[in-house]
Amino acid sequence: AQSVSQHNHHVILSEAASLELGCNYSYGGTVNLFWYVQYPGQHLQLLLKYFSGDPLVKGIKGFEAEFIKSKFSFNLRKPSVQWSDTAEYFCAVTGFQKLVFGTGTRLLVSP
Amino acid sequence: ETGVTQSPTHLIKTRGQQVTLRCSSQSGHNTVSWYQQALGQGPQFIFQYYREEENGRGNFPPRFSGLQFPNYSSELNVNALELDDSALYLCASSLQGRPDEQFFGPGTRLTVL
Repeated sequence: AQSVSQHNHHVILSEAASLELGCNYSYGGTVNLFWYVQYPGQHLQLLLKYFSGDPLVKGIKGFEAEFIKSKFSFNLRKPSVQWSDTAEYFCAVTGFQKLVFGTGTRLLVSP
Repeated sequence: ETGVTQSPTHLIKTRGQQVTLRCSSQSGHNTVSWYQQALGQGPQFIFQYYREEENGRGNFPPRFSGLQFPNYSSELNVNALELDDSALYLCASSLQGRPDEQFFGPGTRLTVL
């Protein structure tokens, strides 16, 4: 069965700091990988996704993620965070007919 | 905004009661999936509806049931509510066979006392 692990449950950064959130997945087949963001009081939004091709994926709002097949990882990065990036971030993988999510990382960016 | 709407926004029920949550899918989408997001957890797949039938189910008991209507909107029903059912319930619409293209609604926050 598919599973996703996010190792950082809470992250606190100052504005302009660099961000890297870890995600590891377990799935035997072809993987589609995603990062979603949930801003306070808002719906779940797609940040970026990887299907195939270039393992470095660029998403919205300056976020990017790198798929490393040998490490079963899909870490999310941003060179310089802003206060408005305060949110919860979820890594996900597609299973049959569904998305399988990690437990999420709550990011707090202090101004 | 994704075009997926859910009602109500918030709901408070007591243990043992029944609840119905509603979801209107994005225009053109024929599949609705429901997820439960407990506090501090990621969304967990409950089930999916396509062509008005259940089309895949996660690890949830039968007291979680659903419906899909001809206009593709959907309901999630939970009977005999338990305290652990307190969560944010998300619906996501998509085209069949495209879990990679799911658009999520804002969710219904259910509190069971």
